[in-house]
Amino acid sequence: NAGVMQNPRHLVRRRGQEARLRCSPMKGHSHVYWYRQLPEEGLKFMVYLQKENIIDESGMPKERFSAEFPKEGPSILRIQQVVRGDSAAYFCASSPSTSGEQFFGPGTRLTVL
Amino acid sequence: QKEVEQNSGPLSVPEGAIASLNCTYSDRGSQSFFWYRQYSGKSPELIMFIYSNGDKEDGRFTAQLNKASQYVSLLIRDSQPSDSATYLCAGGREAAGNKLTFGGGTRVLVKP
Repeated sequence: NAGVMQNPRHLVRRRGQEARLRCSPMKGHSHVYWYRQLPEEGLKFMVYLQKENIIDESGMPKERFSAEFPKEGPSILRIQQVVRGDSAAYFCASSPSTSGEQFFGPGTRLTVL
Repeated sequence: QKEVEQNSGPLSVPEGAIASLNCTYSDRGSQSFFWYRQYSGKSPELIMFIYSNGDKEDGRFTAQLNKASQYVSLLIRDSQPSDSATYLCAGGREAAGNKLTFGGGTRVLVKP
């Protein structure tokens, strides 16, 4: 049973470009969470999705960031017009329910030049 | 006040000893608590979760929860150098979709 998969593992973008991060949850998991870990800081919740629905996006910056989890395919976190402050590790976690354990993927490390 | 607080450490323990990590939380609505281990440059790895007051043991790890005191702890028995990592405490609330609120983590250093 494969774990949570994320790609790319490393992503380099120049300021103003778009970053697209993908997450495939564990088999049987329909709940996907995105977290961000800034350098030397803790993990912060960004968004919680189920298939075709954004359930809670209270941790997402209001501008430039969006997320989706389509019926088919991985969950996508999109960052438009990236700035240097977006450089961080972005982790996806999946869970079989709203009360179950969350398992983390390997993360995408975004570097904005 | 941070919602989940941990001592940042480092907590230095000799090999074979017990490492004791503490975590306090402010949201009384939190129902589930998780301990993750994170090695430098890696992703968090789930160690333990606990929902009920009392102790929960899994191998060398014991989690303790005291909801009245809003306190969660993790004991690591027979600490090994490979246990050297940052340990993250997190709380979740099912009504909020169980989005996790993390503490800043405690760095543990096990010395041979």
